[in-house]
Amino acid sequence: QVQLVQSGAEVKKPGASVKVSCTASGYTFTGYYMHWVRQAPGQGLEWMGWINPNSGGTNYAQKFQGRVTMTRDTSISTAYMELSRLTSDDTAVYSCVRNVYCTNGLCYYFDYWGQGTLVTVSS
Amino acid sequence: EIVMTQSPATLSVSPGERATLSCRASQSISSNLAWYQQKPGQAPRLLIYGASTRATGISARFSGSGSATEFTLTISSLQSEDFAVYYCQQYNNWPPALTFGGGTKVEIK
Repeated sequence: QVQLVQSGAEVKKPGASVKVSCTASGYTFTGYYMHWVRQAPGQGLEWMGWINPNSGGTNYAQKFQGRVTMTRDTSISTAYMELSRLTSDDTAVYSCVRNVYCTNGLCYYFDYWGQGTLVTVSS
Repeated sequence: EIVMTQSPATLSVSPGERATLSCRASQSISSNLAWYQQKPGQAPRLLIYGASTRATGISARFSGSGSATEFTLTISSLQSEDFAVYYCQQYNNWPPALTFGGGTKVEIK
């Protein structure tokens, strides 16, 4: 069965960086785009960007340009999301999310989610 | 950026009644819209894609409609397990610049 298992909760100080991992199993890692979505406490969903695990190509939401880096290690089927220059507004649950299988056309929506990683930014 | 606006923010409905949720896009997105359901402490679950196609395993109580800028999610007869927050999400761009609506909470009346 498809599983996305993320790294554990983090507490960071303002100005620091955080790197969250997402290890996939149960499917061909390089066959599906991986997105990152965050949700601040009591708030809605916010898309951060995606990575093509096959090519390593990325596309980031404009809001996070220059501050987020998404990478992957295909040898261990793991995607990473690193966010820098953290502020208290970045306190949220960060989730990796698998894109549905898509061969052509526009089909950028999600079928499997990681369990989420709580990142708390506090001095 | 395409802005997605959901209404109402909260919908109070009695079990067995119909619920109608709205989602509006700031510009036309054709039918490139998905709906998700999120229960407390859980990850969202895909309900609808392509504005009107139910995802695998989703009850026929859920139906989606609309195109361009106006979309609706209808839950025909609310069951206890349907009380949750619902989000719409557009995916009209290449490369993807995805955006979600702010959510509608469906609560028990």
